[in-house]
Amino acid sequence: AQRVTQPEKLLSVFKGAPVELKCNYSYSGSPELFWYVQYSRQRLQLLLRHISRESIKGFTADLNKGETSFHLKKPFAQEEDSAMYYCALSGQWGASYDKVIFGPGTSLSVIP
Amino acid sequence: SAVISQKPSRDICQRGTSLTIQCQVDSQVTMMFWYRQQPGQSLTLIATANQGSEATYESGFVIDKFPISRPNLTFSTLTVSNMSPEDSSIYLCSVAVQGVMNTEAFFGQGTRLTVV
Repeated sequence: AQRVTQPEKLLSVFKGAPVELKCNYSYSGSPELFWYVQYSRQRLQLLLRHISRESIKGFTADLNKGETSFHLKKPFAQEEDSAMYYCALSGQWGASYDKVIFGPGTSLSVIP
Repeated sequence: SAVISQKPSRDICQRGTSLTIQCQVDSQVTMMFWYRQQPGQSLTLIATANQGSEATYESGFVIDKFPISRPNLTFSTLTVSNMSPEDSSIYLCSVAVQGVMNTEAFFGQGTRLTVV
């Protein structure tokens, strides 16, 4: 069964501290993994995807197939990082596009 | 990329009535998706809408309650029928755009529905 779990519903860190938002998944095959972010009063938007191996706004995420994890990390949190973060997965690139399955989300609050 | 416009952005409705939400995309897309985001919850997929065929509903969602239309490749509607307060949610339209290396989902701004 396809499933995404995010164990922390709320996460508070101080400005300048490292932050890690955890994500684990279950999927029969090789999924695409994403992190989506929703800032206050804004629409949901893509933050980064595992296949691109990119760093966006200082965030990185490494896909660990052995642990089926895709944790989101940033070495120094900023106040503007406060938002709702959703880990998500979909079918493997190259196959027919599959629906996006979202985790429950983690609300990140960066304390000044 | 894709730009999605949803209408209405919000509405307050009486129980027992129906509301139709419109989703317009600025490019032709094969599949459109409708999600629901209940207060304090994550996004739950309601159905996948393909042009020219019936929508595919996820477990827990039925066509009689959430009829969907997909008349062309840039437009879809979702109707929330015979509403009750439990239907109060944000409803989001989404499309998938496949690039050279990967796919990406784009979302409308959502329709905030309150049923009283």
